[in-house]
Amino acid sequence: DVKVTQSSRYLVKRTGEKVFLECVQDMDHENMFWYRQDPGLGLRLIYFSYDVKMKEKGDIPEGYSVSREKKERFSLILESASTNQTSMYLCASRGSGLIFGTQYFGPGTRLLVL
Amino acid sequence: SQQGEEDPQALSIQEGENATMNCSYKTSINNLQWYRQNSGRGLVHLILIRSNEREKHSGRLRVTLDTSKKSSSLLITASRAADTASYFCATLDSGYALNFGKGTSLLVTP
Repeated sequence: DVKVTQSSRYLVKRTGEKVFLECVQDMDHENMFWYRQDPGLGLRLIYFSYDVKMKEKGDIPEGYSVSREKKERFSLILESASTNQTSMYLCASRGSGLIFGTQYFGPGTRLLVL
Repeated sequence: SQQGEEDPQALSIQEGENATMNCSYKTSINNLQWYRQNSGRGLVHLILIRSNEREKHSGRLRVTLDTSKKSSSLLITASRAADTASYFCATLDSGYALNFGKGTSLLVTP
């Protein structure tokens, strides 16, 4: 079974803090993704990575950065957390090949920025 | 970018009834997928249908795809209380990432 784990289920941070969200997958997947989910807005893609050290901006990258130093780990960084970054953050991974497509999601991290 | 749009936004039925959710999308796709999300949890993949397929079954799930209308439907037969969740359609076009809709919230009451 594919397993995607996220470092925290719940996180409370203060405005201006630097926040790290970690995601690890155990299926040797090339592609990894970070989404945020907000009520009424669905899932929005922040960043994705298709290989180690490679990254691409998604639809809402502002205020975020990512790091992929190892294939199994994809980190989302909030350089200076703001209250409008309070959200549910979901990490996902997927194997290579565009004809495939099943993404495996982690359990999510609910972040509250005060 | 978001491409899928589910309809209805919310659906309430009784156990044993069938639930139908629809999804419309805008551009050509490689495949379309349905996911389920239980409250406050991650998404779980339910079923994938490729662009050259018209119908697919998996247990109590039936998915149809009409590429000419750019639409898909998910039918859950004989619903159970445990089916209560949000359901999302997602499309994969020529890019890397899935594009998700905003979801249909399904409530199944005993």
